Amino acid sequence: GEDVEQSLFLSVREGDSSVINCTYTDSSSTYLYWYKQEPGAGLQLLTYIFSNMDMKQDQRLTVLLNKKDKHLSLRIADTQTGDSAIYFCAESSTGGYNKLIFGAGTRLAVHP
Amino acid sequence: DSGVTQTPKHLITATGQRVTLRCSPRSGDLSVYWYQQSLDQGLQFLIQYYNGEERAKGNILERFSAQQFPDLHSELNLSSLELGDSALYFCASSKQGSNQPQHFGDGTRLSIL
Repeated sequence: GEDVEQSLFLSVREGDSSVINCTYTDSSSTYLYWYKQEPGAGLQLLTYIFSNMDMKQDQRLTVLLNKKDKHLSLRIADTQTGDSAIYFCAESSTGGYNKLIFGAGTRLAVHP
Repeated sequence: DSGVTQTPKHLITATGQRVTLRCSPRSGDLSVYWYQQSLDQGLQFLIQYYNGEERAKGNILERFSAQQFPDLHSELNLSSLELGDSALYFCASSKQGSNQPQHFGDGTRLSIL
C-alpha cells in the first residue's frame, strides 16, 4: 500500500544545513513533494521533484531522490530561525488521480 | 499567499450540528481537493473534484459530502458532527486532474464542543 515515513523531529543550529529525510512505498509515484507548515498556517508548497529526476535545486533548497531505495531528502542550506516549521513529504498517488499521501511531518527547530 | 481562499478560518459548533466549509481555488485551477488534518490521523485525503465532477474519494465519512460549482468554488458539508471531527480542514487546487502540484489554502479549524 501507499505509505510515507519521516522522522518526527530535527534540531539544528542557525547557519548550519538541515537535512530532512523521507521514505515512500509507491514506486510508481509521479511526483514527490515537500510542504512547509508554520504554526497556525496552511501548507506551503516548497518544491517538488519529478520521479525521473535525481536532484533538484532551488535557492537554499536541494531535493535528492533515490528511486532504488525510495528515499527522498530535503536539504536546507544556511538554516535560519524563519525555517522553523513542520515539513511534510508527500507522494502523488497512481491511477491517474492526484491525491497526495503525506508523511507525519518533521518538526524542524532552529536554535541560535 | 497561495491564491486558495478558505472560509471561515475558525468554526466552533456542537455535536450533532451541520457545517459548510467553503473554498475558492486559484484562478485557472480546475481541480479542488479536500484534506483533513488531525492529531491522530495526520493529513488525510478526503475527496477531489475536477471541473465540477467528483474525481476521487479517500477516507471520507458518509456524513461528509462535497460539491464543486460551475464557478469552480467548492463546499465541504459535514453533518451529524462528532467530537472526533474536530480538525483542520484544508482545501487545495491544481490546474488539471492529475500530476500537477497542489496549492493549499490556510485551512478551516473546526472545533466541536
